[in-house]
Amino acid sequence: GESVGLHLPTLSVQEGDNSIINCAYSNSASDYFIWYKQESGKGPQFIIDIRSNMDKRQGQRVTVLLNKTVKHLSLQIAATQPGDSAVYFCAENIGGQAGTALIFGKGTTLSVSS
Amino acid sequence: EAQVTQNPRYLITVTGKKLTVTCSQNMNHEYMSWYRQDPGLGLRQIYYSMNVEVTDKGDVPEGYKVSRKEKRNFPLILESPSPNQTSLYFCASGKTTSPLHFGNGTRLTVT
Repeated sequence: GESVGLHLPTLSVQEGDNSIINCAYSNSASDYFIWYKQESGKGPQFIIDIRSNMDKRQGQRVTVLLNKTVKHLSLQIAATQPGDSAVYFCAENIGGQAGTALIFGKGTTLSVSS
Repeated sequence: EAQVTQNPRYLITVTGKKLTVTCSQNMNHEYMSWYRQDPGLGLRQIYYSMNVEVTDKGDVPEGYKVSRKEKRNFPLILESPSPNQTSLYFCASGKTTSPLHFGNGTRLTVT
């Protein structure tokens, strides 16, 4: 889940800015982490994932950073676009097999203005 | 196209009237799961299935049943719906070593 101290329920940015969405996870034994994007009226869509043996992973315009010392996960979106407006969830896998025991954060609503 | 299909998308029913929400995936995934999404509570797992004829309870299974007779289908059954089951429901599937694919949701209202 997400700690109150790090989790911002909403984030507003200007088009072209870089966005950083933070998430604190709860279980130090979690071995797999996922970021999902949920647009209005749709189900969550996979964005990027990272395993606990890594601290950074890059995709197209997105980067996930994992800090196991403080149990913190972040999603960076470069050159944010209006189409990036959505709710973003982090999820940690606390089970033995990916997906079988996913705990989802409450989500951050990203609003991008042009 | 690889997808998870839920039906119906919207459903309004009355207390106590049995209903089934269907879920089907065309990706040959072993793992399937049902979640409900409520404001302020996020996504919570109801039931999941590791493979055909194998199902297990998630975090909030009370009032729900599931079955997994075929690999592609994982229906969610509410034998006697109550107003506190009004929610947005998502079905998801995946391989056991990959992220989940979600359906587009079923918005259920129980009056």
